[in-house]
Amino acid sequence: GQQLNQSPQSMFIQEGEDVSMNCTSSSIFNTWLWYKQDPGEGPVLLIALYKAGELTSNGRLTAQFGITRKDSFLNISASIPSDVGIYFCAGRTTSGTYKYIFGTGTRLKVLA
Amino acid sequence: DTGVSQDPRHKITKRGQNVTFRCDPISEHNRLYWYRQTLGQGPEFLTYFQNEAQLEKSRLLSDRFSAERPKGSFSTLEIQRTEQGDSAMYLCASTNANEQYFGPGTRLTVT
Repeated sequence: GQQLNQSPQSMFIQEGEDVSMNCTSSSIFNTWLWYKQDPGEGPVLLIALYKAGELTSNGRLTAQFGITRKDSFLNISASIPSDVGIYFCAGRTTSGTYKYIFGTGTRLKVLA
Repeated sequence: DTGVSQDPRHKITKRGQNVTFRCDPISEHNRLYWYRQTLGQGPEFLTYFQNEAQLEKSRLLSDRFSAERPKGSFSTLEIQRTEQGDSAMYLCASTNANEQYFGPGTRLTVT
């Protein structure tokens, strides 16, 4: 099935470092969602974005809706061990459907 | 609000058997989604409902797969004549607007 490109695929960082990841699409989206998934569980919604250029924060997490409407970015500041997990982006196109397409995921590992 | 629930959480079945999964969305959420997720991949869209109407189905949803939401509340996903390639996590999500909330998933293992 169709999936969005997420980068990087995985990252190992030291506790306290900042993290950046992005998601790109060949289509224009009108909604971007960012999720975190722990092993064996369903994804948990972190941030939702609805307008090009929008910057939204949720605690140490900040996400941006790209100006081109074809990309989105997620930043995590001052990472802690519980940030470990897989982060997924999801986007909805402007074509009148309510179908979401998910990214391939960024696996984050935090070294204490 | 108890969140999205799915039952069962785990299912092991033999190839060729039929299985049925249930999803209970957040109450009053009018849209309900089914996804399939395999190891190392993001969730892949299967189908979604607006109330009881099934509005879109993925090509991934072969003839062996069928989903229903008869009263616009809970939904079921049935897989007939299961194959080993059906082994995956099946996720359900619901929404009333744009923010999708997921259940814990049903992990299917076909032996």
